[in-house]
Amino acid sequence: GAVVSQHPSRVICKSGTSVKIECRSLDFQATTMFWYRQFPKQSLMLMATSNEGSKATYEQGVEKDKFLINHASLTLSTLTVTSAHPEDSSFYICSASGTAHSGEQYFGPGTRLTVT
Amino acid sequence: DQQVKQNSPSLSVQEGRISILNCDYTNSMFDYFLWYKKYPAEGPTFLISISSIKDKNEDGRFTVFLNKSAKHLSLHIVPSQPGDSAVYFCAAYTDKLIFGTGTRLQVFP
Repeated sequence: GAVVSQHPSRVICKSGTSVKIECRSLDFQATTMFWYRQFPKQSLMLMATSNEGSKATYEQGVEKDKFLINHASLTLSTLTVTSAHPEDSSFYICSASGTAHSGEQYFGPGTRLTVT
Repeated sequence: DQQVKQNSPSLSVQEGRISILNCDYTNSMFDYFLWYKKYPAEGPTFLISISSIKDKNEDGRFTVFLNKSAKHLSLHIVPSQPGDSAVYFCAAYTDKLIFGTGTRLQVFP
């Protein structure tokens, strides 16, 4: 199956700093990439959808100025958490899709962010 | 408002028996339904999907059933194996994936 990688797998940062998370599709071109957030024992919540070369579409309640998404190529999307706070601590997961309209997405392994 | 619901947070099944995971949804406009398997601190892994125009899809030990009139789908795993122990998420799709809250399956010997 298609492989999606994320880097870093875990990161600890101080409050007020910014953190960048990379998501790469390794063996296919991802038309669309998605960023999710998962709180403990809860479902995955879609944060934003990004298409290569265009601005990301954010879900209601997600601050676009805080969670900056860049989808510069068909194989790379980045999520930057700016001015991180302890409440931003979470498990962030990206996914990629090479086709439209089926919902079949390939997920990265996730990034555990801890803000101290 | 939770559009996709998995009402059983956990399920315990003996090895070799059938595991049945259930999922209910509220939006009749969903096009596809998918099941994902997830281990702790890892991303979900796609298992099986079904189009809204079908009522059954089978792939090896995994079968998904869709009852549109009841807005209900289920995942059957038979025979269950200890390696199947994980959290299973159902998800529904129109223009984006909406996930249920997951069911933790434990398969014991």
